[in-house]
Amino acid sequence: NAGVMQNPRHLVRRRGQEARLRCSPMKGHSHVYWYRQLPEEGLKFMVYLQKENIIDESGMPKERFSAEFPKEGPSILRIQQVVRGDSAAYFCASSPVRLYEQYFGPGTRLTVT
Amino acid sequence: DQQVKQNSPSLSVQEGRISILNCDYTNSMFDYFLWYKKYPAEGPTFLISISSIKDKNEDGRFTVFLNKSAKHLSLHIVPSQPGDSAVYFCAATPDQLTFGKGTKLSVIP
Repeated sequence: NAGVMQNPRHLVRRRGQEARLRCSPMKGHSHVYWYRQLPEEGLKFMVYLQKENIIDESGMPKERFSAEFPKEGPSILRIQQVVRGDSAAYFCASSPVRLYEQYFGPGTRLTVT
Repeated sequence: DQQVKQNSPSLSVQEGRISILNCDYTNSMFDYFLWYKKYPAEGPTFLISISSIKDKNEDGRFTVFLNKSAKHLSLHIVPSQPGDSAVYFCAATPDQLTFGKGTKLSVIP
């Protein structure tokens, strides 16, 4: 029973490029959450999605960031025109129903040079 | 504005002794609290939770205490084991999870 999978594990982008982070939830889980962890900080909620729907995006920056969870395939967090301040670890979590006890993936570490 | 605070960045404890990790919060709307444990290069793992209608929840070696009047919760690990060495995050919610910055626990054999 595979856990939450995220890829890539490490991603390096130059300023101005696009970053695409993928998250495959655990089997049977239809609720996906994205979090960002800046150095020396806790995890900060970004967005909560169910299949084909964004339920809560209150933590997402208004510009350059978008997320989707299509009917088929992984959830995608997309960051356009990356800046150095986007360098962080991005974690995805999933749950079978809306839960606070979420299962986390290993994270994607984004470095913007 | 940090709504969940873990004021101790690190804690060292001898193996077999009690580890006490503390967490304070400011938002009186928080009604559910959780502790997550995180090893390097891995995602957080859920450990234990408590609802605001309780003041204690126990699961094996782990006990969480909630003091609503003080807006304070703590995680007790007894006895501490070297495998408990990790970063522990406190989280709270009425809606989406709000995390503290974490406390790095080192259990010394």
